Amino acid sequence: DVKVTQSSRYLVKRTGEKVFLECVQDMDHENMFWYRQDPGLGLRLIYFSYDVKMKEKGDIPEGYSVSREKKERFSLILESASTNQTSMYLCASSPGQVNGYTFGSGTRLTVV
Amino acid sequence: SQELEQSPQSLIVQEGKNLTINCTSSKTLYGLYWYKQKYGEGLIFLMMLQKGGEEKSHEKITAKLDEKKQQSSLHITASQPSHAGIYLCGADRSINTNAGKSTFGDGTTLTVKP
Repeated sequence: DVKVTQSSRYLVKRTGEKVFLECVQDMDHENMFWYRQDPGLGLRLIYFSYDVKMKEKGDIPEGYSVSREKKERFSLILESASTNQTSMYLCASSPGQVNGYTFGSGTRLTVV
Repeated sequence: SQELEQSPQSLIVQEGKNLTINCTSSKTLYGLYWYKQKYGEGLIFLMMLQKGGEEKSHEKITAKLDEKKQQSSLHITASQPSHAGIYLCGADRSINTNAGKSTFGDGTTLTVKP
C-alpha cells in the first residue's frame, strides 16, 4: 500500500522554537508539497519541490523553509515558531503533471 | 484569493438520499480532482477529470466536468453514514506547470443522518 507518512500526528511547541515536520513517501514521486489547512482559508501551498535539492515557494512561504536532500523525504522547517503558525500541516506527493496527489495524514501543530 | 468556489459549504442529508456538491472556477480547469477528508486526517484521492464532458463513477459517487471545463459536480446516490466527511475539489493551475501545483476549494462538509 503506497504511502505518504508524516512523522507526527500532533505537536505542541513553544513560541520561538525551531520546528521540523518530516514527510516521507515510498512511491518514487518526483513532486512533493507542503500545505497548511485553516478553517475558512482552505489549503494553502507553503512550498513544493519537483526534484531533489530543488524547492519553490508557494503562496505563503514566510516563516518557513524546506529541505529535500533525498527524493523520498521533504521536510518543513519553522525557523522560529509563532502562534499564527498553529495549524494543520499536510504533506502530499505526486508523480508529475496532471495527476492527483497522495496526502499524508496531517500534523496538527499547536504553538503556545 | 480562492480560485475554486465550492457549494454548498455544508450539507446534512438523511441516509439514503441523493446529494450534489459543486465546484466552480472562473478559469479553465486543466485537471480537476475530488478528494475526501475525514475530520483531522489527510485527504483521500477520489477521482480525476480532465476532458470536457467527462464523467467518472466509483461505487455510488459520480463526478462530472462540464464541457467548458469550468465546473464540476460530485453526486452521491443513496448516501450512507460512511460518506460523511469533507469533500474538496482541487485543480491544476496550469497545464504547463512542471510540478503540477494544485489549488483547492474550501471544502463541503457532509453529514449523513442515520
